[in-house]
Amino acid sequence: EAGVTQFPSHSVIEKGQTVTLRCDPISGHDNLYWYRRVMGKEIKFLLHFVKESKQDESGMPNNRFLAERTGGTYSTLKVQPAELEDSGVYFCASSQMLPRGGGNTIYFGEGSWLTVV
Amino acid sequence: GENVGLHLPTLSVQEGDNSIINCAYSNSASDYFIWYKQESGKGPQFIIDIRSNMDKRQGQRVTVLLNKTVKHLSLQIAATQPGDSAVYFCAESGMDSSYKLIFGSGTRLLVRP
Repeated sequence: EAGVTQFPSHSVIEKGQTVTLRCDPISGHDNLYWYRRVMGKEIKFLLHFVKESKQDESGMPNNRFLAERTGGTYSTLKVQPAELEDSGVYFCASSQMLPRGGGNTIYFGEGSWLTVV
Repeated sequence: GENVGLHLPTLSVQEGDNSIINCAYSNSASDYFIWYKQESGKGPQFIIDIRSNMDKRQGQRVTVLLNKTVKHLSLQIAATQPGDSAVYFCAESGMDSSYKLIFGSGTRLLVRP
């Protein structure tokens, strides 16, 4: 079974440009999450989808970030315009149900490394 | 690598020895805890989890201990192998927001052959 896949794995863009990150969750997982780690910081929650609905986007840093999950399958995270402090690794994760133990594990993708220059 | 710039505590152990990685969590209301392993260039990989109604849980070569009194979590790895070398993160979540994991800063485990 395929895991969580993310694209691109690495991206280098100039300040002010736009980047769109894509995540394909594990098939059948209704819950999809975005996390990120910027340089020198811990991994931080960005937002959570249940199917196509945003359940919690309290971790989104500002309105330059837009996440979508049309159709409830794959998700995109767009950064527009990108700033230097957006550099870091963006992780997508998915789970079948909410992580309360007993198999409702959150599985992470390998991340999309973003460098803004 | 991804962990450059993040000053991680490092635990160095001899192959075959047991490893103990510690984590202090922040929120006394957290009731679900997970250990993740992250190898270079990869995403966090689930190792083991524990709920707050337990104080110990065992997996294959790994044991997680939870001390709610002092808000402390530990991961014990038996007979540490070179493939265990990675950064280990603890994560916590609460009843009211179980989907939102709060990650610790991580510990780097180095296994000496």
